[in-house]
Amino acid sequence: AQKITQTQPGMFVQEKEAVTLDCTYDTSDQSYGLFWYKQPSSGEMIFLIYQGSYDEQNATEGRYSLNFQKARKSANLVISASQLGDSAMYFCAMRGSAGNTPLVFGKGTRLSVIA
Amino acid sequence: DVKVTQSSRYLVKRTGEKVFLECVQDMDHENMFWYRQDPGLGLRLIYFSYDVKMKEKGDIPEGYSVSREKKERFSLILESASTNQTSMYLCASSHQRNTQYFGPGTRLTVL
Repeated sequence: AQKITQTQPGMFVQEKEAVTLDCTYDTSDQSYGLFWYKQPSSGEMIFLIYQGSYDEQNATEGRYSLNFQKARKSANLVISASQLGDSAMYFCAMRGSAGNTPLVFGKGTRLSVIA
Repeated sequence: DVKVTQSSRYLVKRTGEKVFLECVQDMDHENMFWYRQDPGLGLRLIYFSYDVKMKEKGDIPEGYSVSREKKERFSLILESASTNQTSMYLCASSHQRNTQYFGPGTRLTVL
């Protein structure tokens, strides 16, 4: 079974600064995928970035990057140059190797960007 | 672009009513999912389906049922709504083991 832990219930960051949101995972699978989603106050879950367990490079999508440390089982999201619109809940999720299994989500981190 | 739509953004129902939440995706995805989201509890999986007429229980199926008669549509049914089913309901779809894409969510209030 997979498990995701997000230890930061809430975080604050100054506009234009970088911020790291922590995510650790637990799995016995060798092949797995890690995801980050953003949920603004409107409620929709927006896919941000994906990292495969065998990907050699850390994933990057615009201002988002995933700091993947396999040995430590961590998959932290780094947001560079924070903007006010980045204020939202952020969820880390993973999927194991078996068939069409659903994602397992962490409990989320609420990020507030301060002007 | 992937599009997942849900029948209502906000819904208010009375205790004991039968409630239908509809979800439609336009990307021919095999997999569809229903989650509920409550403060402090994150997303919890209710049911999922990996093919037409197929369904699998998630972590919290009690009090819910689902229907998938067509590939693009996945319905969540509350047979007799109760106040503890007041929540945000999120539908998602995916192709095989790829990224799940979510709909806008339905905020259901049961009075």
